[in-house]
Amino acid sequence: AQKITQTQPGMFVQEKEAVTLDCTYDTSDQSYGLFWYKQPSSGEMIFLIYQGSYDEQNATEGRYSLNFQKARKSANLVISASQLGDSAMYFCATLRSGGSYIPTFGRGTSLIVHP
Amino acid sequence: DGGITQSPKYLFRKEGQNVTLSCEQNLNHDAMYWYRQDPGQGLRLIYYSQIVNDFQKGDIAEGYSVSREKKESFPLTVTSAQKNPTAFYLCASSIRTGTGELFFGEGSRLTVL
Repeated sequence: AQKITQTQPGMFVQEKEAVTLDCTYDTSDQSYGLFWYKQPSSGEMIFLIYQGSYDEQNATEGRYSLNFQKARKSANLVISASQLGDSAMYFCATLRSGGSYIPTFGRGTSLIVHP
Repeated sequence: DGGITQSPKYLFRKEGQNVTLSCEQNLNHDAMYWYRQDPGQGLRLIYYSQIVNDFQKGDIAEGYSVSREKKESFPLTVTSAQKNPTAFYLCASSIRTGTGELFFGEGSRLTVL
């Protein structure tokens, strides 16, 4: 079964600096997808970025990029030029196989951006 | 605007009472999901539905029930059999299962007194 591990319960970064949030995954599938979601204090989950296992280039969406290292089974999120509004919980997720491919989530990393 | 609406946002109930959380979407999505979130636990899947009149148990279905009589609606009932129901509940939808981008509601925070 697919498993997502986020080893950093909390991270701190200075405003305008870059930060990397770690995510490793465990899957036996050849084809899979990896996702990152942001959860501000309001509670709503916001989709940030997607990486397919066969994508040759790392995904980017504005200030977000995904550092995908397939051999190491890692899909780290890089946020460049951090802003105060980036303070939130961040969740890595993948699709669990077994017929229905249901999204399964890691435990999350809390990011605090300091002014 | 298209989206997912959960209600109520906050709910207080006495122990032993059943409560129903509403989830409505106007995105025309086939798949809908319910997740439970506890501090430090991430999101855990309670139930999901791939299509109208069909739903499947997730990892922590005990003490919960759902229905999917309409494409737009996927209500979750927290029954008295759920031993620790106080949590934050998130409803989500996707075009179909297997597409990972989920669209979430704002969540419902249930507190059992």
